[in-house]
Amino acid sequence: AQKITQTQPGMFVQEKEAVTLDCTYDTSDPSYGLFWYKQPSSGEMIFLIYQGSYDQQNATEGRYSLNFQKARKSANLVISASQLGDSAMYFCAMRVPNDMRFGAGTRLTVKP
Amino acid sequence: SQTIHQWPATLVQPVGSPLSLECTVEGTSNPNLYWYRQAAGRGLQLLFYSVGIGQISSEVPQNLSASRPQDRQFILSSKKLLLSDSGFYLCAWSVRGGTNTEAFFGQGTRLTVV
Repeated sequence: AQKITQTQPGMFVQEKEAVTLDCTYDTSDPSYGLFWYKQPSSGEMIFLIYQGSYDQQNATEGRYSLNFQKARKSANLVISASQLGDSAMYFCAMRVPNDMRFGAGTRLTVKP
Repeated sequence: SQTIHQWPATLVQPVGSPLSLECTVEGTSNPNLYWYRQAAGRGLQLLFYSVGIGQISSEVPQNLSASRPQDRQFILSSKKLLLSDSGFYLCAWSVRGGTNTEAFFGQGTRLTVV
């Protein structure tokens, strides 16, 4: 069975600094996708970034980058130049065909 | 473009009452459909997923059930709600098969069982 682990219940970062949110995963499927979502207090789920298991390069989307270390089964999210609006819950997710599971989430608080 | 509708947005129900939450998707065919539950301040727990009409996979044994009577309709039900059923319920869809497309979420239903 697939498993996603986020070990940081909460993180704090100073505005304009970078922060790394950790995610490890476990699966026996050779083909999988890794995703990060942001959930603000409104509850909506906002897709941020995707990394495929066969991708050679780390994914980047604006201020978001995914540090993919396949041998370690980790897929950490890096947010550069944090903004106050980045304060939210962040979820790591893994997709195998027809199944998508999420980690427990990390609550990020950006301090002014 | 594809859209997903989930209703109601909020619901307060007494213990022992039935539940029916509905989710519909527009603009796509043969989607995978998912129901997740999120306890306050917690992660998303996968409750059910479906790859086709009438095909439901249950992840967590509990007093909830799901049905998919039409290709783009997914219903979450309970005959008798428990206090522990309170939470934020999210419906989602994804392209069937594959691993490289994200799931798209509805706006969620905040259920309070009193």
